[in-house]
Amino acid sequence: GENVEQHPSTLSVQEGDSAVIKCTYSDSASNYFPWYKQELGKRPQLIIDIRSNVGEKKDQRIAVTLNKTAKHFSLHITETQPEDSAVYFCAASKISDGNKLVFGAGTILRVKS
Amino acid sequence: DSGVTQTPKHLITATGQRVTLRCSPRSGDLSVYWYQQSLDQGLQFLIQYYNGEERAKGNILERFSAQQFPDLHSELNLSSLELGDSALYFCASSVGGGTTQYFGPGTRLTVL
Repeated sequence: GENVEQHPSTLSVQEGDSAVIKCTYSDSASNYFPWYKQELGKRPQLIIDIRSNVGEKKDQRIAVTLNKTAKHFSLHITETQPEDSAVYFCAASKISDGNKLVFGAGTILRVKS
Repeated sequence: DSGVTQTPKHLITATGQRVTLRCSPRSGDLSVYWYQQSLDQGLQFLIQYYNGEERAKGNILERFSAQQFPDLHSELNLSSLELGDSALYFCASSVGGGTTQYFGPGTRLTVL
């Protein structure tokens, strides 16, 4: 089955700097890649997603890039703010599998002010 | 607020007991997914229902079962509970099987 690896497990940045989180997936049939942000004790919240027919997507300070050949995708957060501090999860899914999400292990992002 | 509701918020019970977690999807969503989040296993997919029928199954234990009712709400039943079942259980919903999933607030289960 699908396996998603996520790096780094923790990331500390200074306020205003950029943060990059990377994920690799194993199943070339996966075609949907969302990113979720989770604050302590709260629900995972979708922040951005990308489908396999697109190479890059941007929403204000957040962007995601996808490299299907290498089977990896990345989350980029620019001009980080203290409220960006949270755990970020990447995931992969494919329609033939009921679109179940296979998650990475998560990245703890700390933005220091 | 995602529009997905889950009850109860917290559940404390003893080993060997049985509990039922409830999820109401967003209005118009036909798909319901259940996920378990624990410290050692991360976020793991359990089971998916689409319009009342089971669509996909993950590493769900035989002691666990679920169903989706005609009004589209779903229940996850956990029986013969063990200490290791303590976790956050999330429900997510989507319009169909290939679209964005929105998560509910979760039910925190503590097995003593």
